[in-house]
Amino acid sequence: KQEVTQIPAALSVPEGENLVLNCSFTDSAIYNLQWFRQDPGKGLTSLLLIQSSQREQTSGRLNASLDKSSGRSTLYIAASQPGDSATYLCAVQFDYKLSFGAGTTVTVRA
Amino acid sequence: DARVTQTPRHKVTEMGQEVTMRCQPILGHNTVFWYRQTMMQGLELLAYFRNRAPLDDSGMPKDRFSAEMPDATLATLKIQPSEPRDSAVYFCASGPGQGTVEQYFGPGTRLTVT
Repeated sequence: KQEVTQIPAALSVPEGENLVLNCSFTDSAIYNLQWFRQDPGKGLTSLLLIQSSQREQTSGRLNASLDKSSGRSTLYIAASQPGDSATYLCAVQFDYKLSFGAGTTVTVRA
Repeated sequence: DARVTQTPRHKVTEMGQEVTMRCQPILGHNTVFWYRQTMMQGLELLAYFRNRAPLDDSGMPKDRFSAEMPDATLATLKIQPSEPRDSAVYFCASGPGQGTVEQYFGPGTRLTVT
């Protein structure tokens, strides 16, 4: 059974600092890995999707890397802003099944 | 702006009552997923439909939960009878193709069973 772990569980940084969120998974047989953002009381918004054959994806201030062999992914958010405050979830997909981590709750202080 | 819609957004009910949650997938998407999110268990897959056919409902308690797709624009999740341990946020997601690519999530239904 796929186990997905996210460290740290919570993170508080001053505005402008770079964020580094970690995700690890136990089974490297995956189709892709996705990073989601969840705001309180809201649904999940997909941020980045990395196919298993790719090493990284970038969108604006966000960059995600994938090392399938070691079972790790890292989400970098450059120059954090208060609007980046949310919970970030990592999910690995095999066939149609998404296995989610518990998330990292980020607070960016103005 | 295509998005998954879910109704109701909030539901409070008493133990033993029937609960029906509805989902409208994005037009053209042929896969639909139901997830449940709790603090203890995180996000769990309850059911998966492709082309309206249920392909996986192994995550659902069979005795009280049922999921259907009466047509391509509507998916339903029913709980009968509801129990306090069913209190959670229920998400619907839809996707194109075989379900092996990106899934688009709805805003969720927050269910409280007292």
